[in-house]
Amino acid sequence: EDQVTQSPEALRLQEGESSSLNCSYTVSGLRGLFWYRQDPGKGPEFLFTLYSAGEEKEKERLKATLTKKESFLHITAPKPEDSATYLCAVQPAGNTGKLIFGQGTTLQVKP
Amino acid sequence: GAVVSQHPSRVICKSGTSVKIECRSLDFQATTMFWYRQFPKQSLMLMATSNEGSKATYEQGVEKDKFLINHASLTLSTLTVTSAHPEDSSFYICSASGSTDTQYFGPGTRLTVL
Repeated sequence: EDQVTQSPEALRLQEGESSSLNCSYTVSGLRGLFWYRQDPGKGPEFLFTLYSAGEEKEKERLKATLTKKESFLHITAPKPEDSATYLCAVQPAGNTGKLIFGQGTTLQVKP
Repeated sequence: GAVVSQHPSRVICKSGTSVKIECRSLDFQATTMFWYRQFPKQSLMLMATSNEGSKATYEQGVEKDKFLINHASLTLSTLTVTSAHPEDSSFYICSASGSTDTQYFGPGTRLTVL
């Protein structure tokens, strides 16, 4: 069964304290892995798509990496405005575009 | 680019009435649109997938007669919650994908059924 597990469930950081969020997945063939950011009461905002092991993508303080079993979202020197829930989703190969979401990691960055 | 809108953002209705939610892709053609619902502090649950001009494909456990989906054009999909009841109260979010696999999400619609 295709499954996505994110850890930790919640993370509190001090401003400037770098850390990583984990997304472990089991899927019968990976078409793509997606990272989204979701603020309370809003829809998810697209961050990155990763397609193959070894791939890395960066945007400002965020960097996403992918292996055959997991993905990491590295946050370097976070700021309070980075506080949000980060969602990981996988798209199985041969699928109709459906995404399987993890439960998310809620990040709080304190000033 | 890749902007998706939803309307309305909030709706309150009485039990037994029907509610229509619109999802539009503003700057790209969406060959596929998806409808999700999200309960507090939970992740997104896919309800159905729709392709322009075709009938929607519903996930297991989602009542197709209760949640009517229409994808009449490459920029518009609608979700109608028929005979809404308090247990249908939730946050409904649509997403759209075009020439790539990436889904772009709308801002969501908060439905409250009294």
